Amino acid sequence: EIVLTQSPGTLSLSPGERATLSCRASQSVSISYLAWYQQKPGQAPRLLIYGASGRATGIPDRFSGGGSGTDFTLTISRLEPEDSAVYYCQQYGSSPPTFGQGTRLEIK
Amino acid sequence: EVQLVQSGAEVKKPGESLKISCKGSGYSFTSYWIAWVRQMPGKGLEWMGIIYPGDSDTRYGPSFQGQVTISADKSISTAYLQWSSLKASDTAMYYCARSEGVAEMDVWGKGTTVTVSS
Repeated sequence: EIVLTQSPGTLSLSPGERATLSCRASQSVSISYLAWYQQKPGQAPRLLIYGASGRATGIPDRFSGGGSGTDFTLTISRLEPEDSAVYYCQQYGSSPPTFGQGTRLEIK
Repeated sequence: EVQLVQSGAEVKKPGESLKISCKGSGYSFTSYWIAWVRQMPGKGLEWMGIIYPGDSDTRYGPSFQGQVTISADKSISTAYLQWSSLKASDTAMYYCARSEGVAEMDVWGKGTTVTVSS
């Protein structure tokens, strides 16, 4: 199965700054079948990005995804306090679908 | 509004059986897959398996094959996750989520907490 490694483990930034989260796959993710989710404490995950760069319904354009092959990024521009959460990447191009271990984003 | 409503928290003893549910509304339940995702305490997300309620086609992740059973009753728009003999290591939050196959999951239930303790 494909192993996804996210970095950094924790990111601490100030409001208004830009966050760049990385997701690296152990082998190529076919057709960029890569999603990003946001999970706040006590809540279910929320889909942010699908197909590596498509924004899910209702997601602000501050969130953008990119990459292909084995390297993918989630960029959050103009950070807001409510962006504090754990972010997970997921590949679904190869079965079974797998998740990265998560990046914790703290807003100072 | 598209929703997945999951059953309430469960506290069970090792060896007991359990079936938790996930009821869909606001969309055609038989046109989308339902996935189950485990989150152990303080840990990340794990994809367990998926079912297409339209014809009950079911797939399992390798770690969960033989450990759980996924089913659905399309007449009441409900999917299920069940265990025949719980272990302490099954203690976790279990989420159901809507998907168009083995794909991204766009709508999630709030989760069902399962605690297994003697």
